[in-house]
Amino acid sequence: NAGVTQTPKFRILKIGQSMTLQCTQDMNHNYMYWYRQDPGMGLKLIYYSVGAGITDKGEVPNGYNVSRSTTEDFPLRLELAAPSQTSVYFCASSYDEWAEQYFGPGTRLTVT
Amino acid sequence: GQQLNQSPQSMFIQEGEDVSMNCTSSSIFNTWLWYKQDPGEGPVLLIALYKAGELTSNGRLTAQFGITRKDSFLNISASIPSDVGIYFCAGQNSGGSNYKLTFGKGTLLTVNP
Repeated sequence: NAGVTQTPKFRILKIGQSMTLQCTQDMNHNYMYWYRQDPGMGLKLIYYSVGAGITDKGEVPNGYNVSRSTTEDFPLRLELAAPSQTSVYFCASSYDEWAEQYFGPGTRLTVT
Repeated sequence: GQQLNQSPQSMFIQEGEDVSMNCTSSSIFNTWLWYKQDPGEGPVLLIALYKAGELTSNGRLTAQFGITRKDSFLNISASIPSDVGIYFCAGQNSGGSNYKLTFGKGTLLTVNP
């Protein structure tokens, strides 16, 4: 049982480039989340999804887009990378809104 | 939005010592959660608290949900080297779309063998 997997683990982008961070869960969870973690800070919610075809903004959505075409996958898209998006990105999933959130190992992104 | 103040920011202790950390909030939460993040990994849930005054243990870890519902404490007894990591508190509310987690900034724990 792989749980929540994220790819890539590391990435360096130039300003203005775009990329997609991949997230897949194999637990048949309805809820999925994207967080960013900046040094010395807690996790901030970027976007979340309560099921396939349904997404909504979190606390810090600007500069990002998401889609949820299947239960398993919840990719995060950066269209025009900016230095302020340098961070560690975590994907998480849960069975419902009250259940434990399971986190992936993270993607460390640097924008220069 | 809601703010969580977590303290201390970091701790450096000797193996075998006990550790205490806490979180306070400007507003109430219905659920308090404590996570641990190992280096290079995602957070993992340690303890969940659902009721004001609740005291819950998980091995050497003990956490309490404050009576005012605005704070929570985590204690680790007899620390060992594998306790190293970042400990996060998180609060959660009920009702509508308020179920999303609010995280503290974390406590970095270093254990000297």
